[in-house]
Amino acid sequence: KAGVTQTPRYLIKTRGQQVTLSCSPISGHRSVSWYQQTPGQGLQFLFEYFSETQRNKGNFPGRFSGRQFSNSRSEMNVSTLELGDSALYLCASSLASGGVTEAFFGQGTRLTVV
Amino acid sequence: DQQVKQNSPSLSVQEGRISILNCDYTNSMFDYFLWYKKYPAEGPTFLISISSIKDKNEDGRFTVFLNKSAKHLSLHIVPSQPGDSAVYFCAASAGDYKLSFGAGTTVTVRA
Repeated sequence: KAGVTQTPRYLIKTRGQQVTLSCSPISGHRSVSWYQQTPGQGLQFLFEYFSETQRNKGNFPGRFSGRQFSNSRSEMNVSTLELGDSALYLCASSLASGGVTEAFFGQGTRLTVV
Repeated sequence: DQQVKQNSPSLSVQEGRISILNCDYTNSMFDYFLWYKKYPAEGPTFLISISSIKDKNEDGRFTVFLNKSAKHLSLHIVPSQPGDSAVYFCAASAGDYKLSFGAGTTVTVRA
């Protein structure tokens, strides 16, 4: 069974640009979450989607947005990039229809803003 | 507001001995707890979880203990192996479709 797939693995962008990251969950998983990891920090929750609906959102500015498609694939977008957005962005999928069960993570997208 | 805290940034243990990782939380609404392991350049890998209705869960070399009154959980790894060298994250959920993570503990297993 294929795991969570994130593309691209690495990205370099310039301040002010926007970026779109993609996540394909494990087959059958309908919940997709996004997290940001910066050096010295734990993982910070961005948002969670289930059946194309956002069920929760973390404390990030409106420049961070996401969506989920009918096939459960998800994208997140960051507009007007800032240097501080440089981070590892992780996507996780789970079977959870309610609450949380074990979430399985992809390898992440390493975003560098210069 | 860090609701999940791992106060030890690092832990060094000899191969074959026990590794004990600690985690404290402040949110009394947390009802499900998980441990993840992360190697560099990879995503976190799920290790073990525990529901708040239990105080212990065991899976092979990994055991998680939960002390709800103290808002504390720990992960025991016995025996520690070189492949266990990684960053370990404690995570918690309040049933609100998100996980709150600690900052992680880097474990180094010495030969």
